[in-house]
Amino acid sequence: GNSVTQMEGPVTLSEEAFLTINCTYTATGYPSLFWYVQYPGEGLQLLLKATKADDKGSNKGFEATYRKETTSFHLEKGSVQVSDSAVYFCALRGGSNYKLTFGKGTLLTVNP
Amino acid sequence: DTAVSQTPKYLVTQMGNDKSIKCEQNLGHDTMYWYKQDSKKFLKIMFSYNNKELIINETVPNRFSPKSPDKAHLNLHINSLELGDSAVYFCASSQEVRDGPQHFGDGTRLSIL
Repeated sequence: GNSVTQMEGPVTLSEEAFLTINCTYTATGYPSLFWYVQYPGEGLQLLLKATKADDKGSNKGFEATYRKETTSFHLEKGSVQVSDSAVYFCALRGGSNYKLTFGKGTLLTVNP
Repeated sequence: DTAVSQTPKYLVTQMGNDKSIKCEQNLGHDTMYWYKQDSKKFLKIMFSYNNKELIINETVPNRFSPKSPDKAHLNLHINSLELGDSAVYFCASSQEVRDGPQHFGDGTRLSIL
């Protein structure tokens, strides 16, 4: 079946630091890949997505590239802000019923 | 203008009670979902409905029963609540396409005393 593995947190960074959150996946066929963000006390919001190999998703300074050869979709941001503090979820959608499979989430805390 | 709205936001009740959580989406999506998020933030899908028909039913106790009166609504009824049911429950909706993102409600925090 499909699965998503993302780096365990928590991750603590200083403002303006570089962020990488690793995500690898196992899936049959050609899944779509997503990053969601959950701010404290809120639901999940779509951050970015990529639907085929070598696609790059980007939003709010975050980027992730769909790498089929390494089955990865790592999230990066060049300079994080305090407002980026949240839980980040990597996810894939594929299979016969298009079920969304989530990783376990990575808590990011950015200190001023 | 809320896209996916669920009520109530907080639910505090005693063991053994029966409770319901309601969800409505105004996005015109054909598929709706219920997820459970535990205290470690792990998200687990419970159910999915496409055009009022059940398409995903994960291993969930039969005390949990979803009901979809129309494709814009998916309610969750829980019988005989147990301590382990304490969690945040999220409703979501999407179009049933491979690259369709899901839109989430703000969650219902259920606490069992």
